[in-house]
Amino acid sequence: ETGVTQSPTHLIKTRGQQVTLRCSSQSGHNTVSWYQQALGQGPQFIFQYYREEENGRGNFPPRFSGLQFPNYSSELNVNALELDDSALYLCASAVEGFYGYTFGSGTRLTVV
Amino acid sequence: AQSVTQLDSQVPVFEEAPVELRCNYSSSVSVYLFWYVQYPNQGLQLLLKYLSGSTLVKGINGFEAEFNKSQTSFHLRKPSVHISDTAEYFCAVSDRNDYKLSFGAGTTVTVRA
Repeated sequence: ETGVTQSPTHLIKTRGQQVTLRCSSQSGHNTVSWYQQALGQGPQFIFQYYREEENGRGNFPPRFSGLQFPNYSSELNVNALELDDSALYLCASAVEGFYGYTFGSGTRLTVV
Repeated sequence: AQSVTQLDSQVPVFEEAPVELRCNYSSSVSVYLFWYVQYPNQGLQLLLKYLSGSTLVKGINGFEAEFNKSQTSFHLRKPSVHISDTAEYFCAVSDRNDYKLSFGAGTTVTVRA
């Protein structure tokens, strides 16, 4: 059991729509990051939250946004979906002091 | 900013043979280093990590890696592979200050009987 749960596991959306992906981390995991993994590639860093504040962002446009909640859950929102947004989205969390990330199983998003 | 190069995109290997997956990184600051494994249609599972201390790191499932600071490398090894080791392997690096992971492109390991 990974301790990080993502929902939904699969999702199909139409270009131009909006989507919200959810992640539930273990208690005490104050840091959460989101990654995008396109088919056949390594994961790319989207952004990171620490104690509900964004404290780092990768090379993704503002239509990618997120939230982290006090109950160690978080979400990734993507507006105005594009075909290239089709990917596996991974949530990862870490405890205070950082000893490495625990990843969820991901949400497979397909934009048609 | 950090970057990671995995030198082999695909590694075919026979069951019970040894395997080495090569990883080089570049960074202007001190880093943490990781190897993750990804099975089809799944997320990432941590194999091992280097945070500090001994440069030889042992992980799960018989894997080990050696951190070489002068060569900026973190190669992964296993002395005897099993069919179940067939998967995608990712090397990753993070800055010790911000924890953001930069991944390599991955190495596909295919173990044959």
